[in-house]
Amino acid sequence: SQQGEEDPQALSIQEGENATMNCSYKTSINNLQWYRQNSGRGLVHLILIRSNEREKHSGRLRVTLDTSKKSSSLLITASRAADTASYFCATQRASGSRLTFGEGTQLTVNP
Amino acid sequence: DAGVIQSPRHEVTEMGQEVTLRCKPISGHNSLFWYRQTMMRGLELLIYFNNNVPIDDSGMPEDRFSAKMPNASFSTLKIQPSEPRDSAVYFCASSFPGYHSYNEQFFGPGTRLTVL
Repeated sequence: SQQGEEDPQALSIQEGENATMNCSYKTSINNLQWYRQNSGRGLVHLILIRSNEREKHSGRLRVTLDTSKKSSSLLITASRAADTASYFCATQRASGSRLTFGEGTQLTVNP
Repeated sequence: DAGVIQSPRHEVTEMGQEVTLRCKPISGHNSLFWYRQTMMRGLELLIYFNNNVPIDDSGMPEDRFSAKMPNASFSTLKIQPSEPRDSAVYFCASSFPGYHSYNEQFFGPGTRLTVL
């Protein structure tokens, strides 16, 4: 089974609203990463948060990590139609080891 | 840099035929990953290499699948013989471990394989 599980599976919002996606995982991790995939394209890395970090920002992105609950959230503020994509979390258990991806959240931002 | 390059972008073949997918990682990256993505199973890691050596091939579905990395700038994923259930998008990704070995992966555009 997938290490990461995203919630919700699909999210539809209006442009300008905030979008929050959640990820839960089962084992201890070294870091957690979020990726975006536009339709028909490869995945693009968005942000990485280390296991000893609790919150990280990058532009309109805010990621939190709660290792006690084994969960993370990705917040996209002031969403745009161009943010429409699938978003995946991925965990890495040890440095240099494989990434394990969740099933993704499909975000639709309506203009 | 051109990013991770995959070829072909689309492949349509008939059941039983051999299929070879190709990947050129980003120059200087020493880890390479092959993934398969389907609606039913999501994104699955098939195999990955560090410094051209296969490290984990536990995701390779069966003996029909094989992967090689003869040098740092080229890898192949071969399916022989192909079956309709192999139809999927196959991604190649590469990464370079930084100082703290927190690795982001750079994905290619994928190869969409259809086996009739």
